[in-house]
Amino acid sequence: DAMVIQNPRYQVTQFGKPVTLSCSQTLNHNVMYWYQQKSSQAPKLLFHYYDKDFNNEADTPDNFQSRRPNTSFCFLDIRSPGLGDAAMYLCATSLIASNQPQHFGDGTRLSIL
Amino acid sequence: GENVEQHPSTLSVQEGDSAVIKCTYSDSASNYFPWYKQELGKRPQLIIDIRSNVGEKKDQRIAVTLNKTAKHFSLHITETQPEDSAVYFCAANSAGNQFYFGTGTSLTVIP
Repeated sequence: DAMVIQNPRYQVTQFGKPVTLSCSQTLNHNVMYWYQQKSSQAPKLLFHYYDKDFNNEADTPDNFQSRRPNTSFCFLDIRSPGLGDAAMYLCATSLIASNQPQHFGDGTRLSIL
Repeated sequence: GENVEQHPSTLSVQEGDSAVIKCTYSDSASNYFPWYKQELGKRPQLIIDIRSNVGEKKDQRIAVTLNKTAKHFSLHITETQPEDSAVYFCAANSAGNQFYFGTGTSLTVIP
C-alpha cells in the first residue's frame, strides 16, 4: 500500500549527540511536513517542503534542520538534542492543493538520555 | 496566520450517547477542515473532512458541520462506542500548504 514510512519507530540519543530521523513516501506527494508532538498536545509544525522549497516556522529552533534530497525522502536533523526535544516526531505528506488531506507516518518516538 | 480553537478539552460520555466537539477558526480564507483521531502512541488518522463549499458531511456515525459565516465547524459522533475513545484534533487549511491544528479533545466513552 502507498504510505508514509518513518524510521526508526523509537530512537534514543544522548544529550547533545546529533540525531537524524527519516521519512519516506510512496504517495508522490509534493508537500512533506515535520511535526513535533509532546504528550497531550497538538502536533506542532516545525517546517515543510513544497517540492524543494523549504518553509521554516518562525518559532522552530535553529537546532532543527531538514533535508529533502528527492520527492520520496525527507530527513529531520537535530544537531544538539536537549531534554526538551524528547517527543514524538511525525512526518506527513499532502498534495499541493490546499484542500487535500495530510497523510501521517507512524512517528518516531525520540528519547534523550 | 490562522488560529484554531477547540472545545472541550476533555469529554466523557456514556456508551450509546452522542459526542460533539467544536472548533472555531480565524482566517476566512481557510477552505478545508479535516478531523483526526489519535489513539495513544499512534499517528493521527483522518476520520472525516469537509471543504468550504459544503455545509455538512456524514459518514456512518460521524458527521461534520461547517458554518463559514460564523467560522466554526463541529464533529458529531452518534451511538458512541468504547473504541471511539481517543484524542480528536480539528484542523484548518488556508491558502498555502499549512495546516493549523486545534488543541485536541480527549474523548472517553464509558461502557
